[in-house]
Order: sequence, then structure tokens, then C-alpha cells
Amino acid sequence: EPEVTQTPSHQVTQMGQEVILRCVPISNHLYFYWYRQILGQKVEFLVSFYNNEISEKSEIFDDQFSVERPDGSNFTLKIRSTKLEDSAMYFCASNLERISYNEQFFGPGTRLTVL
Amino acid sequence: TQLLEQSPQFLSIQEGENLTVYCNSSSVFSSLQWYRQEPGEGPVLLVTVVTGGEVKKLKRLTFQFGDARKDSSLHITAAQPGDTGLYLCAGDDYGQNFVFGPGTRLSVLP
Repeated sequence: EPEVTQTPSHQVTQMGQEVILRCVPISNHLYFYWYRQILGQKVEFLVSFYNNEISEKSEIFDDQFSVERPDGSNFTLKIRSTKLEDSAMYFCASNLERISYNEQFFGPGTRLTVL
Repeated sequence: TQLLEQSPQFLSIQEGENLTVYCNSSSVFSSLQWYRQEPGEGPVLLVTVVTGGEVKKLKRLTFQFGDARKDSSLHITAAQPGDTGLYLCAGDDYGQNFVFGPGTRLSVLP
């Protein structure tokens, strides 16, 4: 069964460093998303991506964040200068259609720890 | 900003009992999804409800979307320890926004 994969599973970084979180969406999916979940808190939408550009983004997704799909396979989230409060689980999701976020498939997440 | 509230926050029951958890908002959603999340893993989609008043069944799980499309419920019949997990609802605001509720953490004791 096809699935969304994410690497690394755990990333530890120093405050101020850049990190790149990687996702491989399901191959025939067209819409891609990043979410984050701070420990003990709810899942928060960051950004959606379609046709090689951002469709929507939340207030959380400020200038330190960027996304790209460099090779038609990987979908990456870059955090330019990490802060302590960026520590969270980051989930990638993808779906085939964009009717109303139906059938979003989530990856297992990357746990980011900023020291 | 639209908000989804879920109740109860925590629920601990014995195997075989029935339970209902709720997802409420003051806003109308075009669709609402229920997910289950295990510790350290991503949410897994259980169901999507789209039509007001819609009822969907998934084995022992029954999902209902409120007539006004502002709320939803999840009813589990004869709960089993394997049902233990965090149940999340998430709403889509006609493509403008997608929000998750804080979740109901269910523990089913053998």
C-alpha cells in the first residue's frame, strides 16, 4: 500500500541553524501539505502546495519557512534559522484531489528538537 | 480564526463499554474528517463527512455530521483495547482554512 514517507525521523539541531525536513508523497498525489504538532498540543496547518507553488499558508508559516519540490519527488520544508519554539513533530501529508482536503494521507512525522 | 473543540479531553473506559466523543464549532465546515493518532505517529484518516446530517459507519465506529455542519460525533460500540488512541477531528472551511481540534485521548482498559 502506498504511503507517505519522511526523513529523518528525528532531527536535533542548535538554535539558529538551518534544517531541511524531507517528505516523499504518494506518487500520483498532486497536493502536498506540512503540519506541525508541538508536544501535547494540536496539529497545526502550516502550508499547502500545488503545481509547484504555495496554495495556502497559515500565520505560523513566516519568512523563516520555505517549501519546495526540487525534483518532482521530494517535498521539503526548510526552516532557515531555527528557534527553540520550532521544536515539534512535523508531518507531511498528500492527497490526490483538492475537493475539500479529503483523503489526506499523513507521513510518520519528523521530530525536530532545537537546543 | 475558526476553532474546533473536542470533548471530553480524556476518556478512560472498560472494554465492552460504549462511548461518544464530540467535535464542536461555531463555524460551518464544508467537510469534517476524523483521524486517529498513535503516539509518535502521524494521524490516520478514519472518515470524511460532507453532507449535513450524514451518518457513516466503520465497523464499530459511527460518525455523524450535524445538520448545520458545525459539529460531529464519533460513537464507538463495545470498545476494545485496540481502540485506544488520540481521536482528532479536523474541519475544512470551503478551502479557506483547515483546522484540527485538540483531540480526545481514549484509553480502553482490558
